[in-house]
Amino acid sequence: EIVLTQSPGTLSLSPGERATLSCRASQSVSNNVAWYQQKPGQAPRLLIYGPSSRATGIPERISGSGSGTDFTLTISRLEPEDFAMYYCQQYGKAPLTFGGGTKVQIK
Amino acid sequence: QVQLQQWGAGLLKPSETLSLTCTVSGGSISSSGNYWGWIRQPPGKGLEWLGSVYYSGSTFYNPSLKSRVTISVDTSSNQFSLKLSSVTAADTAVYYCARHAGVISHYFDYWGQGTLVTVSS
Repeated sequence: EIVLTQSPGTLSLSPGERATLSCRASQSVSNNVAWYQQKPGQAPRLLIYGPSSRATGIPERISGSGSGTDFTLTISRLEPEDFAMYYCQQYGKAPLTFGGGTKVQIK
Repeated sequence: QVQLQQWGAGLLKPSETLSLTCTVSGGSISSSGNYWGWIRQPPGKGLEWLGSVYYSGSTFYNPSLKSRVTISVDTSSNQFSLKLSSVTAADTAVYYCARHAGVISHYFDYWGQGTLVTVSS
């Protein structure tokens, strides 16, 4: 099974700041990584796939990059609605696996 | 707009079988472009994929749970279902149904609202 390690566990930032979230895979998954945002009491929401294509309705301030084993989700300028939990997922090899998550909280 | 609505028993005793169903609206579950899957999230923890089904009935499962999980599809009702046998307290979680974005794109673009399943004696 491919293990995804997300870092940092928690990111404390202010609105308007830049957020950089990391996801590292235990082996290559090519470009097969997606990112989700989850708020308390809600289902995850797809943000990014492939690993740099935005899902429908996702603003341009949210972007993804990387390939192989190292992937990054960047939020260029944090808006109040961006403070949430973020998960990466690999779909390069079964079983499908998720990272442990990064919490982006208000500083 | 595709929507997934799920339901099932929320309180189980140890050794019972968890049973959840997800109804798809706004699109056909028989679409040749999608698998349909189940993911769970224990309270305060991360996400775990359980398994997925194609409209033809073809399935693939997480090996960690494979012996206890059965996922099936009912195309006439536009539904798919999850059964997890011999549950324990470790199976307490919010269970989500979700749609794979494509037949080889195994990320999830639409999600159900989630069902909290608690296992307690």
